[in-house]
Amino acid sequence: AQKVTQAQTEISVVEKEDVTLDCVYETRDTTYYLFWYKQPPSGELVFLIRRNSFDEQNEISGRYSWNFQKSTSSFNFTITASQVVDSAVYFCALSDTGRRALTFGSGTRLQVQP
Amino acid sequence: DAGVIQSPRHEVTEMGQEVTLRCKPISGHDYLFWYRQTMMRGLELLIYFNNNVPIDDSGMPEDRFSAKMPNASFSTLKIQPSEPRDSAVYFCASSFVTIETQYFGPGTRLLVL
Repeated sequence: AQKVTQAQTEISVVEKEDVTLDCVYETRDTTYYLFWYKQPPSGELVFLIRRNSFDEQNEISGRYSWNFQKSTSSFNFTITASQVVDSAVYFCALSDTGRRALTFGSGTRLQVQP
Repeated sequence: DAGVIQSPRHEVTEMGQEVTLRCKPISGHDYLFWYRQTMMRGLELLIYFNNNVPIDDSGMPEDRFSAKMPNASFSTLKIQPSEPRDSAVYFCASSFVTIETQYFGPGTRLLVL
């Protein structure tokens, strides 16, 4: 069975601080995909990144970076120099060949104070 | 290109009434997913379709819920009769080829009184 755990329920930082959101996953499949989505206060779900299980390269996109480690079943997300606009709920999600829909974590609410 | 379109954006109804939620996926996408978001249960899959055929409806809570996809550009999720515990945000998402990125619509916020 699939499972995604986001142990951090809420994080509060001051603008310009770096912050890391943790994600730990479980799956029996060897082929799987990991995702991060952002849900701002307006409520929509915005896709941020997709990673497949065969690609452990870390990725950087502007102030965002992702650290995928199969050895610890983790896919962590770091925001560098956080901004107020980063305030949102962030979801980590998993899909695999056994269950093609997304299994979501419970989300981490990030509040960036000015 | 337009993203996933959902209607209505907000729906307030009374217990016992029929509710129909609508979704238009991104053109060319062959997978369509319905998810529900509640405070208690978070984001959970209700049902998904591949090429208009339902593949997994194990998340549909009970017989009061039904979903159809009559063609590649339209899907409905119906609740009959509705109950207060059905109050939630219902998201539709679509993707091209399984396991590819799912793009979400803006959601329908349903309140059943």
